[in-house]
Amino acid sequence: EVSLVQSGGGLIQPGGSLRLSCAVQGSPVSDTYMGWVRQRPGKGLEWLSVIYQSGGTYFADSVKGRVTMSRDVSGNTLFFDFRTLRGDDTAVYYCATLVTDLEAFDVWGQGTTITVSS
Amino acid sequence: HVLTQTPSVSVAPGQTADIACGRDNIETFSVQWYRQKPGQAPVLIVFDSDDRPSGIPERFSGSNSGNTATLTISRVEAGDEADYYCQLWDSTTYPPWVFGGGTKLTVL
Repeated sequence: EVSLVQSGGGLIQPGGSLRLSCAVQGSPVSDTYMGWVRQRPGKGLEWLSVIYQSGGTYFADSVKGRVTMSRDVSGNTLFFDFRTLRGDDTAVYYCATLVTDLEAFDVWGQGTTITVSS
Repeated sequence: HVLTQTPSVSVAPGQTADIACGRDNIETFSVQWYRQKPGQAPVLIVFDSDDRPSGIPERFSGSNSGNTATLTISRVEAGDEADYYCQLWDSTTYPPWVFGGGTKLTVL
């Protein structure tokens, strides 16, 4: 059974950078279709990105050009490197695994909060 | 191609709650439903419109017809109080992964 443990996040000034980590337990990260979803305070869920088993990535316009995703095979961890942060990036960020073909987010991390404020 | 959900639904314990998700021709898509309790991560409770992951009670069921997908919760319990989100993937639109705005289920 797959589980995801997130770390990273915190308070960051506008324009800063941050790394979110998502440790995968129960499946090799390189074989796992994964993505990121965020939830702004009091708002709904917003898809941000996916990384395919091949390593290919796809980003929402809201983060495109400001985010890089990478995988550490030895640590079985997915990284979400976020730069040029803005106030409207303040949110809870979730990593999740996806089911191929259905494109359903089936296992979620516990979430980690990014607060962008001076 | 927005997914439209009623912001709130209220139901008494033991009754049935229907939560709708609207979009043109939604019946042609696989629809997922997620439950999110306060301070917690979302949990997948229905996938492919009418299938349940293991561990999700039979009280939760999904249907999809015409322009509306529906999550039905039978014999509602106090613990069902949560936000419920629908989601689908449409390869012809951007963004392809779309969530509804969410429905807050209140158990009276």
